[in-house]
Amino acid sequence: AQKITQTQPGMFVQEKEAVTLDCTYDTSDQSYGLFWYKQPSSGEMIFLIYQGSYDEQNATEGRYSLNFQKARKSANLVISASQLGDSAMYFCAMREWPNTDKLIFGTGTRLQVFP
Amino acid sequence: DSGVTQTPKHLITATGQRVTLRCSPRSGDLSVYWYQQSLDQGLQFLIQYYNGEERAKGNILERFSAQQFPDLHSELNLSSLELGDSALYFCASSVVVSYSCNEQFFGPGTRLTVL
Repeated sequence: AQKITQTQPGMFVQEKEAVTLDCTYDTSDQSYGLFWYKQPSSGEMIFLIYQGSYDEQNATEGRYSLNFQKARKSANLVISASQLGDSAMYFCAMREWPNTDKLIFGTGTRLQVFP
Repeated sequence: DSGVTQTPKHLITATGQRVTLRCSPRSGDLSVYWYQQSLDQGLQFLIQYYNGEERAKGNILERFSAQQFPDLHSELNLSSLELGDSALYFCASSVVVSYSCNEQFFGPGTRLTVL
């Protein structure tokens, strides 16, 4: 069965510094997609970045980049130049394929950015 | 604003009762997903509909049911409510079911409290 593991329950980072949030996954499929979502204290889920299993380059979206290491089955999120507004829960998720594209989520990492 | 709307935002009810949560997907999105977020179970997929048809089921209890109407809005019905059903229920939508990025856009959620 597919599984997402986030081993860091909480992380602290100083403003303007970079931080890496870890995510490892387990799947026997060759075709899959990996997502990161942000959940601020207000509760909504905000899509940040996506990496497909066949994508050769690491995904980047502004200050977010995904360090994709397929052989290690890891998809770590890197946030550069952290801002106070980055304080939130961050979830790594995998899309099952092909019969459905439901998302399987990890347990999340709570990131706190301090001045 | 993701474009996905959910009503009501908050719902407080008693054990044994029945409630209906409503979701309107983004304009043009044919696929609707329901997720439950609770402290003990984390974020879990419940059920997916695509263009009115059930596409996939997760660990959805038999007391729960859902449907997607011709106008593509969806309702999640929860009956014989128990204390453990207290959670944040998300609806998400996407254009189609596909392998590619096809991000899921999440609504603001309905927070259900069962007393």
